[in-house]
Amino acid sequence: SQTIHQWPATLVQPVGSPLSLECTVEGTSNPNLYWYRQAAGRGLQLLFYSVGIGQISSEVPQNLSASRPQDRQFILSSKKLLLSDSGFYLCAWTDRDGTPLHFGNGTRLTVT
Amino acid sequence: KQEVTQIPAALSVPEGENLVLNCSFTDSAIYNLQWFRQDPGKGLTSLLLIQSSQREQTSGRLNASLDKSSGRSTLYIAASQPGDSATYLCDFMEYGNKLVFGAGTILRVKS
Repeated sequence: SQTIHQWPATLVQPVGSPLSLECTVEGTSNPNLYWYRQAAGRGLQLLFYSVGIGQISSEVPQNLSASRPQDRQFILSSKKLLLSDSGFYLCAWTDRDGTPLHFGNGTRLTVT
Repeated sequence: KQEVTQIPAALSVPEGENLVLNCSFTDSAIYNLQWFRQDPGKGLTSLLLIQSSQREQTSGRLNASLDKSSGRSTLYIAASQPGDSATYLCDFMEYGNKLVFGAGTILRVKS
């Protein structure tokens, strides 16, 4: 069966520090991968999605970036965090044939 | 650009009521849609997935319908229970694999 792993679960970082959140999927190949952010009391905002290795589509211009170095690995990064980067970050995957979207458990990031 | 609207934004009902949550979208060129629930501070749990060629899906007390011509999807919850309290989100997959979410409906079922 397929599983998605996302870590860390919680993170407290000072303003200006770097960020690296990792997401891996097991039990499938060539998935579509997504990074979402949910700010407090807000809906889900699509940040990045990827349909293959090295293929990244950015939805929101900001100081975040994403990379997909391996087929089932999706990384969200920042060189310098801002206070506004605080939120709940969710990784998700789906197969190409429209199968359900599956989410990781999320990372709660607090930038202080 | 696809926009997704969920109505109502919040709903509070007594236990046992039948509920309808609405989700509307602006572009009918969708691949599928999915309904999720999110408990506070948690990730999202998939409830129902409807392919664009389908009109509805059912799971237990939940029924989701899709009407592409009117740009609407509804989630029907029968005989609501306090355990149904959560935020319900709909999302659409566009051709090209981009996913667009609504802002969600916060549901509270009172015992």
